[in-house]
Amino acid sequence: IAGITQAPTSQILAAGRRMTLRCTQDMRHNAMYWYRQDLGLGLRLIHYSNTAGTTGKGEVPDGYSVSRANTDDFPLTLASAVPSQTSVYFCASSEPGRALNEQFFGPGTRLTVL
Amino acid sequence: QKEVEQNSGPLSVPEGAIASLNCTYSDRGSQSFFWYRQYSGKSPELIMSIYSNGDKEDGRFTAQLNKASQYVSLLIRDSQPSDSATYLCAVNSRNTGNQFYFGTGTSLTVIP
Repeated sequence: IAGITQAPTSQILAAGRRMTLRCTQDMRHNAMYWYRQDLGLGLRLIHYSNTAGTTGKGEVPDGYSVSRANTDDFPLTLASAVPSQTSVYFCASSEPGRALNEQFFGPGTRLTVL
Repeated sequence: QKEVEQNSGPLSVPEGAIASLNCTYSDRGSQSFFWYRQYSGKSPELIMSIYSNGDKEDGRFTAQLNKASQYVSLLIRDSQPSDSATYLCAVNSRNTGNQFYFGTGTSLTVIP
């Protein structure tokens, strides 16, 4: 069981380019999340999805979009990358139907926008 | 006011000592509480979960929850150099769309 996979592991991107970060989980969790982590700011929620077909905005959604066509996949798209989007991006999942709704993280994608 | 607050540290303890990490939260409706360990350059790893008042022990780790005072703590007994990492506190409430709120983390160094 892989848990959560993310791709790519790292990427250097020119400003203005479009980029999709991929996230796949095999735990059949209903909820999935995208965070960015920046030094001194901790983990900040970008978007989330509580079930396939629904999405919601987190704390820092501007410049990002997501889709949730099925349970397993939750891609994050940067339509036109800017240098302030340089960060480490983590995908996570959880199962809200359980009494203890534990959240698990993928390995992360390190993105540099020049 | 931040949802979850932690002392950023750094916290240094000698090998074999008890490390005590603390966290407070603002939402009284929070239902589940978590501690994650994050090594430099790696993703957060879940090490403890708790949702009832009191203590929960797992090996060298003990999580303590006090909902009346809105704090949760993590004790690491017999600290090892391999425990050196950043520890993140997180809370979850179904009342807020099932979102998780994280503290900014406490950096722990265990000195051999």
